[in-house]
Amino acid sequence: GAVVSQHPSRVICKSGTSVKIECRSLDFQATTMFWYRQFPKQSLMLMATSNEGSKATYEQGVEKDKFLINHASLTLSTLTVTSAHPEDSSFYICSPASGGETDTQYFGPGTRLTVL
Amino acid sequence: LAKTTQPISMDSYEGQEVNITCSHNNIATNDYITWYQQFPSQGPRFIIQGYKTKVTNEVASLFIPADRKSSTLSLPRVSLSDTAVYYCLPRGSGGYNKLIFGAGTRLAVHP
Repeated sequence: GAVVSQHPSRVICKSGTSVKIECRSLDFQATTMFWYRQFPKQSLMLMATSNEGSKATYEQGVEKDKFLINHASLTLSTLTVTSAHPEDSSFYICSPASGGETDTQYFGPGTRLTVL
Repeated sequence: LAKTTQPISMDSYEGQEVNITCSHNNIATNDYITWYQQFPSQGPRFIIQGYKTKVTNEVASLFIPADRKSSTLSLPRVSLSDTAVYYCLPRGSGGYNKLIFGAGTRLAVHP
């Protein structure tokens, strides 16, 4: 399957600071990137969708000014959690997609964010 | 996007076959059915995908009846390492493959 990496795998930060999470698709070009978050014992929740070179589309209830998404290239997307608070502590997962009709959609390994 | 319904949890024992059924009554004509497996603190891992009838790979089989309103993931001879959450997701064809996750099925395999 496709290789997707996320960095860092886990991060601990103080409340009020910003954290950047990188997602790379290592062996295919991701025209679309999906970002999810997952709270303990819950399912994945889609946060936003971005297409390379354009602004992201956010799901209802997700603050676009708090979760900044950059998808400047076909192999790299970043999610920046700005002014993080303890309630932002979660597991963040990216999913790059190339958009083919039958292409399998793969997921990154996830980033565990803990805000103190 | 079609809503899915799966059992919240299932228990099994090593060596048994496990069948997890997912209902998706409102699946769109062009939607595929995709199953993922997720271990704690890991991203979902693709298991299998199909459109209709039966699909088999080295990990599992997927059975989809003619009306496509449900699908069944079959895991042959499970082991302890198959303990995970399993998600069934309809997936639209074309260039915008938005996946919306339901609650999934938490499978526990016992010795």
